[in-house]
Amino acid sequence: AQKVTQAQTEISVVEKEDVTLDCVYETRDTTYYLFWYKQPPSGELVFLIRRNSFDEQNEISGRYSWNFQKSTSSFNFTITASQVVDSAVYFCALSGLMTSGSRLTFGEGTQLTVNP
Amino acid sequence: ETGVTQTPRHLVMGMTNKKSLKCEQHLGHNAMYWYKQSAKKPLELMFVYSLEERVENNSVPSRFSPECPNSSHLFLHLHTLQPEDSALYLCASSQGRGFEPQHFGDGTRLSIL
Repeated sequence: AQKVTQAQTEISVVEKEDVTLDCVYETRDTTYYLFWYKQPPSGELVFLIRRNSFDEQNEISGRYSWNFQKSTSSFNFTITASQVVDSAVYFCALSGLMTSGSRLTFGEGTQLTVNP
Repeated sequence: ETGVTQTPRHLVMGMTNKKSLKCEQHLGHNAMYWYKQSAKKPLELMFVYSLEERVENNSVPSRFSPECPNSSHLFLHLHTLQPEDSALYLCASSQGRGFEPQHFGDGTRLSIL
């Protein structure tokens, strides 16, 4: 079975603060993919990033960065210098080759509120 | 034209009504999905279509009936729904059923009276 845990239900920060969203996963697959999605109030889930289980290199995209650590089964997401427009629900998701094909297992999401 | 379009955005219906949700994707993808998102719950996968064939039905009650007439369109037909079916229904598409990212629509907010 697969499981994704986002322990932080809600986070509130002040603009320009850095914030890290935690994601811990469980899978028996050796080949799997991890994803982050953003869901603004409009409802649409916006794809942010995909990483495969063989690539532990951290990635930076503008103010966003992701830290993948296989040893701790974590795939954390950091927003640097947060802005009000970053306010949204963020979902971490997992897809394992053997157990799920392309079925995404989502975490419960973290509601991020960035206050001016 | 946005990638995945869902209509209507909002729907209020009585328990005895019949209605349909529509999803259209303009990305050339060949897999489409229906998800249910209820308050305080993770996203629940309902149905998966690949190349217009239903390949997954995640134990969804028969009052939800999907239809995929072609690779660009996906419908969810609703009848005799229950109050607990009130939720945000999200459609997604992807290229194949491998590990390509799924692209989501804005969803239909469904309220059952």
